[in-house]
Amino acid sequence: RKEVEQDPGPFNVPEGATVAFNCTYSNSASQSFFWYRQDCRKEPKLLMSVYSSGNEDGRFTAQLNRASQYISLLIRDSKLSDSATYLCVVNGGATNKLIFGTGTLLAVQP
Amino acid sequence: NAGVTQTPKFQVLKTGQSMTLQCAQDMNHNSMYWYRQDPGMGLRLIYYSASEGTTDKGEVPNGYNVSRLNKREFSLRLESAAPSQTSVYFCASSEGVSVYGYTFGSGTRLTVV
Repeated sequence: RKEVEQDPGPFNVPEGATVAFNCTYSNSASQSFFWYRQDCRKEPKLLMSVYSSGNEDGRFTAQLNRASQYISLLIRDSKLSDSATYLCVVNGGATNKLIFGTGTLLAVQP
Repeated sequence: NAGVTQTPKFQVLKTGQSMTLQCAQDMNHNSMYWYRQDPGMGLRLIYYSASEGTTDKGEVPNGYNVSRLNKREFSLRLESAAPSQTSVYFCASSEGVSVYGYTFGSGTRLTVV
C-alpha cells in the first residue's frame, strides 16, 4: 500500500464548478499535512497547509480527518488558472521528510 | 529573492557518463533534499541532509551520491549514469518541515541515452 494515495484523475470540470480531491495516508504518526500545486513541467509549490480544525484560503478549503487518515481539498468557483496537478503531502511521522502522493490532475474547461 | 537554484536545467548524458547536479538555497535553511519525479511514481526521495555536515539515504539512493558542501549547497552526483536515471530531479529546502513544508528549485530534466 502506498503511504499517500490519491485519485490520479483527470478531473475535467467547467469553469465555476466546485471540485473536491481526496487523499488517504497510511502512517498514523504523521503530524503535518499539505496540499501542493504543480503546473506542467514546473516545480511543486505549496498551496496550503492542512490543520486539524480545517482551514480556508479564499476559494480553497482543506479538511483533515485523523481518525480516518483522510485529507480533502475543495475548490469552489473553479478558474481556468486552477488547471494543474494537486499533490497531497504528509510528513513521515516524527521526521523532517515529506511524502508525496502521485497527484490529481485537474483540467478546468472554458 | 532567488530561493532554491538548480543547475543545469536540462542535460543529456550517455550511459556510463558521470555528472553532478548543483543546488543552492539562499534562505538559510538547515534541511535540504533531492527528489526524483517519474510519471506515475510521484516524487521519491533520493537523499536528504537534515543539517550541514549530515546526509542520509532516502527511498531510492542507489546509483547516487550527495555532498552537503556548506549550509547553502547540496549536490547530487551520478557516477555512472543509466537509462533508468532518466527523470526530473528536484532539490528542496526547509526550515521546519512540519510548519513550512518545502521550497523547491525549478528542476533538472535529465535524459540518459
